[in-house]
Amino acid sequence: EVQLQQSGAELVKPGASVKLSCKTSGYTFSNYYMSWLKQMPGQNIEWIGNIYGGNGGTGYNQKFKGKATLTVDKSSSTAYMDLSSLTSEDSAVYFCARTNNYYFDYWGQGVMVTVSS
Amino acid sequence: DIQMTQSPASLSASLGETVTIECRASEDIYNGLAWYQQKPGKSPQLLIYNANSLHTGVPSRFSGSGSGTQYSLKINSLQSEDVASYFCQQYYNWTFGGGTKLELK
Repeated sequence: EVQLQQSGAELVKPGASVKLSCKTSGYTFSNYYMSWLKQMPGQNIEWIGNIYGGNGGTGYNQKFKGKATLTVDKSSSTAYMDLSSLTSEDSAVYFCARTNNYYFDYWGQGVMVTVSS
Repeated sequence: DIQMTQSPASLSASLGETVTIECRASEDIYNGLAWYQQKPGKSPQLLIYNANSLHTGVPSRFSGSGSGTQYSLKINSLQSEDVASYFCQQYYNWTFGGGTKLELK
């Protein structure tokens, strides 16, 4: 069974950074891309970027370049996303999702990031 | 960039009814479209990929169709567990439609 387990909710101060994790099981991590997506309350879903589990190759939505940095640890089948210079506009739920060709077939449970002083 | 326009934004329907949700792309997306269901407080779940292929484990009352710039998701015989928001997503720059909130009448 494919599973993506994300880290817990984060409360961070403006200007700080946060690192989110997505631990996977049930499939061969190095054979798939992992995407990260953002959903603000009551709003649309935005694709942030993706990273290949095999070699760490990345692609980013232009909007999130400089904001998000994606990495992987193949030894633990875990994907990470660093978000930097956080502002209130970064308060949202963030999802990791396995990318199968061009769609997202399995999703993590999501993690809420709240940016507040 | 390709834009996705989803309609309606909200929908109220009765149990057993057939419901249709539509997505229109700003240019031809050659069946590069997926549909997701999201229940409150949960992550989106894949229903349909490649415009008309049913994802593993998804009930057969869900179906997708369309071509070119126009696509639709149909739910036959609406069940109470289908109350959720639905999103389309196109493949070319991974953009999503604005969502449709489906409620019971």
